[in-house]
Amino acid sequence: DVKVTQSSRYLVKRTGEKVFLECVQDMDHENMFWYRQDPGLGLRLIYFSYDVKMKEKGDIPEGYSVSREKKERFSLILESASTNQTSMYLCASSLGWDRDFTGELFFGEGSRLTVL
Amino acid sequence: SQQGEEDPQALSIQEGENATMNCSYKTSINNLQWYRQNSGRGLVHLILIRSNEREKHSGRLRVTLDTSKKSSSLLITASRAADTASYFCATARNYGQNFVFGPGTRLSVLP
Repeated sequence: DVKVTQSSRYLVKRTGEKVFLECVQDMDHENMFWYRQDPGLGLRLIYFSYDVKMKEKGDIPEGYSVSREKKERFSLILESASTNQTSMYLCASSLGWDRDFTGELFFGEGSRLTVL
Repeated sequence: SQQGEEDPQALSIQEGENATMNCSYKTSINNLQWYRQNSGRGLVHLILIRSNEREKHSGRLRVTLDTSKKSSSLLITASRAADTASYFCATARNYGQNFVFGPGTRLSVLP
């Protein structure tokens, strides 16, 4: 069964803390994505990666960074968490363009982060 | 700005009825995809329609695409309580694999 696994389903952090959200996929996918989801706004792309050590900014990268040291793992980092980063964070992966141009996304279960 | 916008924002129907959701988008696409999200969970891919297709079926799902109007619709026939979820359309920007999602349609199917 193919899978995208997010390390934590629920996290509670304090303002100013450094937060790591981990995502691992077992499908040998080239592409990995981090979205945040807020009511009424849908999913907004934070960062994505087409290959190991590659990263591209999405629509709302401010306040976030990412790391992709291995093909299967894509980490989202909040250097100094703020209350406006309270949200649901969704990781997704897909095959590379040369293997599947449709780009069907496979999502993890999500990580609900609360920043107090 | 968002590429995909679903309509209506919320829909409530009785079990057995059909549910129709619409999606509008702004730029050229090579495919449009529909996803489903149960409350508090991740999204699951439902169906994909390519830009050269007008209609596609998968079980109780029927998707149409009108590229001249830049719109798509998702029809769920004979709905069940288990269909209660949010439904999102997604389009790729610039023929790439960077997808844009709308705010979704929240469907409630009452038993």
